[in-house]
Amino acid sequence: KQEVTQIPAALSVPEGENLVLNCSFTDSAIYNLQWFRQDPGKGLTSLLLIQSSQREQTSGRLNASLDKSSGRSTLYIAASQPGDSATYLCAVNTDKLIFGTGTRLQVFP
Amino acid sequence: NAGVTQTPKFRVLKTGQSMTLLCAQDMNHEYMYWYRQDPGMGLRLIHYSVGEGTTAKGEVPDGYNVSRLKKQNFLLGLESAAPSQTSVYFCASSYLGEVGADTQYFGPGTRLTVL
Repeated sequence: KQEVTQIPAALSVPEGENLVLNCSFTDSAIYNLQWFRQDPGKGLTSLLLIQSSQREQTSGRLNASLDKSSGRSTLYIAASQPGDSATYLCAVNTDKLIFGTGTRLQVFP
Repeated sequence: NAGVTQTPKFRVLKTGQSMTLLCAQDMNHEYMYWYRQDPGMGLRLIHYSVGEGTTAKGEVPDGYNVSRLKKQNFLLGLESAAPSQTSVYFCASSYLGEVGADTQYFGPGTRLTVL
């Protein structure tokens, strides 16, 4: 059974720091992996989608990498800002989306 | 273009009552999904639909029913609510679906409390 783990569960950093959020999964047979952002009381917003054949995807200050063989993905946030404060979820796509429990990020001024 | 909308935003039920959650999307997506989100457990798939008139069970379908009579709408029903169904419910839609590797678009959620 596919399991997705995100470490750390929570993170608090000062503005301007570069961050790495980690996601690991137990079964490498995936179609793709997605990173989502969730603001309190809101739905999920897709940030990046990495196909299984890809190594990384970039969008602005965000860069996500995928190492399918080791069952790992990282989300790199450059020059963090208070507006980046949110919960970040990763999800692997087998024949369904399997979500991790998220990393709650707080960026303080 | 409203994206994915959910009705209602909040609801409180008593044990044994029934209700229907409505999800609507205006992106002409074929695939629609219902998830529940509980603390410490992440999002879990309840039911999904790969097209108008079709539905299928997800990871946690017990106690729920769904219908997809129109392409743009996906209804989630609770016939006899239980406290264990207290959760935040999210609807999502996508164009190509899981295997097609298209991203899912989420609604804002419905917070349901069952007393």
